[in-house]
Order: sequence, then C-alpha cells, then structure tokens
Amino acid sequence: KAGVTQTPRYLIKTRGQQVTLSCSPISGHRSVSWYQQTPGQGLQFLFEYFSETQRNKGNFPGRFSGRQFSNSRSEMNVSTLELGDSALYLCASSLELAGNEQFFGPGTRLTVL
Amino acid sequence: GDSVTQMEGPVTLSEEAFLTINCTYTATGYPSLFWYVQYPGEGLQLLLKATKADDKGSNKGFEATYRKETTSFHLEKGSVQVSDSAVYFCALKYTGTASKLTFGTGTRLQVTL
Repeated sequence: KAGVTQTPRYLIKTRGQQVTLSCSPISGHRSVSWYQQTPGQGLQFLFEYFSETQRNKGNFPGRFSGRQFSNSRSEMNVSTLELGDSALYLCASSLELAGNEQFFGPGTRLTVL
Repeated sequence: GDSVTQMEGPVTLSEEAFLTINCTYTATGYPSLFWYVQYPGEGLQLLLKATKADDKGSNKGFEATYRKETTSFHLEKGSVQVSDSAVYFCALKYTGTASKLTFGTGTRLQVTL
C-alpha cells in the first residue's frame, strides 16, 4: 500500500509569489491535515480537510488556504509569500475525521528568497 | 492552552545504552499522547501511542506510560542502536474532535558506536 505522497519535494520561490503544494493520502483515507515545520516554531497545525470541507483550522493568516478534491487529494496554497514562510510543509492522512492514526508524508521543503 | 514540553537535545548515547526522553504536557481535558520519530529527510512516523491514563504504548523496543498524576509520557528504550538516531517528538491530541496534533519541540538523539 503506497504511503502519503507530497509533490513537489523541494520548491524555491521569491517573496510576493504564490505557491501550491499537493498531497495524495493513503488509498482509502479521507482526512488530510497540513502542518508547518520550522526551526523556530516547531510543528504547527495548519488545517484539516475531510469530505472536501475544511473542518479545523490553526492560527495562520488567510494567505494560507487549502482544498480537498473528491478523491481525497489535497492542495494547500500560500499567497504573497514572505521570507518567514520558508519551512517544511507536512501532510498527514487518516481514515476518518479526527483519526488517531495519522500517517505523514515526506514533506515539501519550501524556500522563499 | 494545551502544550507539550520535551527535554532539550541533543541527547548523545553510546550503542546499547538506556534511553529516556522526558515529555510533560499541559492540557485542559484528557488527551491521547503520542511519540513520533523523524529520520533525516523524512516525514514523521508514529512510534507509539496511549489513549488513557496508565496505558503503556510500546513499539520496536520503545515504551512510554501515560501518567496522569505527573502529566508525563516519558519515552524509554533499554538498549539503543545507531539506527535509532533521529528526532523524537512528543504530541497530544483530543479524541473525536480534530486531527490536530500539538507537538513538543523535538529531541534529537544521536547514538554512537
């Protein structure tokens, strides 16, 4: 069974640009959560999607958004990039909403110059 | 708010030494507790979990017991191997509400021959 996949693995952007990251959950998993990992702030929850609806949201500005498709694949978008958005963005999937067993992908390393 | 505190790293041990990584939490309710491990260049892997007080989670020789009286979930292993070198994250989550995990800052473990 394939694990959680994230594309691209690495991304370099400049300030002011926007970026879209993609996450494909484990087959059959319906919930997708996103996390930002930085050396300064650690791992922080961004949002969770289930059945194509955002169900929970962390404390991030509106520049961070996401969506989920009918096949459970999810994308997150960051607009008007800032230097502080440089981070590893991790996606996690679980069978159901609020599932205890969450499986993480390898992450997308975003660098903002 | 809820928070997780882990001991500062890095922790450097010789192979076959005993490992303890301390984790304490502050929570308003009764969360489930987790240990995740992150190997270089990879995402997070669930190592073990405990969902209620006095539960012991165990996996691959690692153990942790959910201690409600001391709000702790310390990770232990009797004999570490070089392959255990990684960053270990303690986390909490409330069952049935959201997939949001609240993480500690992580503890880097380095095991030498």
